[in-house]
Amino acid sequence: QVQLVESGGGLVQPGGSLRLSCAASGFTFSDYSMTWIRQAPGKGLEWVSYITGSGRSIYYADSVKGRFTLSRVNAENSLYLQMNSLTADDTAVYYCARDGVRGVTTFDYWGQGALVTVSS
Amino acid sequence: EIVMTQSPATLSVSPGERATLSCRASQSVSSTLAWYQQKPGQAPRLLIYGASTRATGIPARFSGSGSGTEFTLTISSLQSEDFAVYFCQHYKNWPLTFGGGTRVEI
Repeated sequence: QVQLVESGGGLVQPGGSLRLSCAASGFTFSDYSMTWIRQAPGKGLEWVSYITGSGRSIYYADSVKGRFTLSRVNAENSLYLQMNSLTADDTAVYYCARDGVRGVTTFDYWGQGALVTVSS
Repeated sequence: EIVMTQSPATLSVSPGERATLSCRASQSVSSTLAWYQQKPGQAPRLLIYGASTRATGIPARFSGSGSGTEFTLTISSLQSEDFAVYFCQHYKNWPLTFGGGTRVEI
């Protein structure tokens, strides 16, 4: 069965860095585009970044462009989000999700989320 | 950026009743619209894509309609497990954006 497991969340000071990981299993990872979506406490969903299966195309929300870097290692079935220059506005649960329906950019499997708290 | 606006923010309904949720896009997104359900402490679940196609395993009581800028999610007969928050998302272009959500409560 498809599983996505995030790790790497935690408490970080403003201006600090954190690297989130997402371990995928149960499907051919390289065949699927992947994304990170975040949710601030008690708030709605905000798309963060997206990467195609090959890794050749990557997209970022303006709110994280220049600070976050998305990558993947298909041989390891892993997705990574390097987050730098963090601010309080980045505090959220970060979900990795699979773009599973061919031809449409929607997300059929999600991880349980990793909480990132930016605070001094 | 396409802004997605959902209404109402909260919908109070009784089990067995019909629920109608709305999502409006600030510009046309054709049929590139998805709906998700999120329960407390859980990740979202994909319900509908292409404005009206149910995702795998989604019960027939969930239906989506609309195109362009106006969309509707209808739950024909609310079950207890349907009380949750519902989000719409467009995928017309980048950036992907979500609506603010509609909470369906008793």
